[in-house]
Amino acid sequence: KQEVTQIPAALSVPEGENLVLNCSFTDSAIYNLQWFRQDPGKGLTSLLLIQSSQREQTSGRLNASLDKSSGRSTLYIAASQPGDSATYLCAVGVSGNTPLVFGKGTRLSVIA
Amino acid sequence: GAVVSQHPSRVICKSGTSVKIECRSLDFQATTMFWYRQFPKKSLMLMATSNEGSKATYEQGVEKDKFLINHASLTLSTLTVTSAHPEDSSFYICSARQANTEAFFGQGTRLTVV
Repeated sequence: KQEVTQIPAALSVPEGENLVLNCSFTDSAIYNLQWFRQDPGKGLTSLLLIQSSQREQTSGRLNASLDKSSGRSTLYIAASQPGDSATYLCAVGVSGNTPLVFGKGTRLSVIA
Repeated sequence: GAVVSQHPSRVICKSGTSVKIECRSLDFQATTMFWYRQFPKKSLMLMATSNEGSKATYEQGVEKDKFLINHASLTLSTLTVTSAHPEDSSFYICSARQANTEAFFGQGTRLTVV
């Protein structure tokens, strides 16, 4: 059974710092991996999608990497801003049409 | 990106009544949608998989008679919380995957049962 773990559970950094959020999964046979952002009381916003054949994806200040063999993904946020404060969720797709398996998230606070 | 619209965003109902939550994929067809429940400061808990034209598949421990799911078309799934009780108060979120790849989520529905 696929399990997804995110470390750390919470992180507080000063504005402007670069930071890395970690995600690990137990079964390397994944279909894809997705990073989401969730603001309090809101739904999930898709940030980056990495297909199983890809190593990384970039969008603006965000870069996500995927190492299937070691069961790891990282989300790199450059030059963090207070507006980046949110919970970041990593989720693994086991196949094309099954529900994603979620980690418990990392709660990020960027202090001005 | 694709949009999944969920309605209502907030609802308050009396104990014993039923509440219907709608989830629509606005610009793509979704043969499968997923319903999640989220407790405060917790991650998402999958409740059921909604299949267009057939019965939903419920996760272990989720009462199918209490959480009725209907997926009548390729763009609409509904979750009805029947005979709601205060313990059903929660944040409910739906999701659909576009072309079996990227997953998109609705805005969520905050249900409060008084």
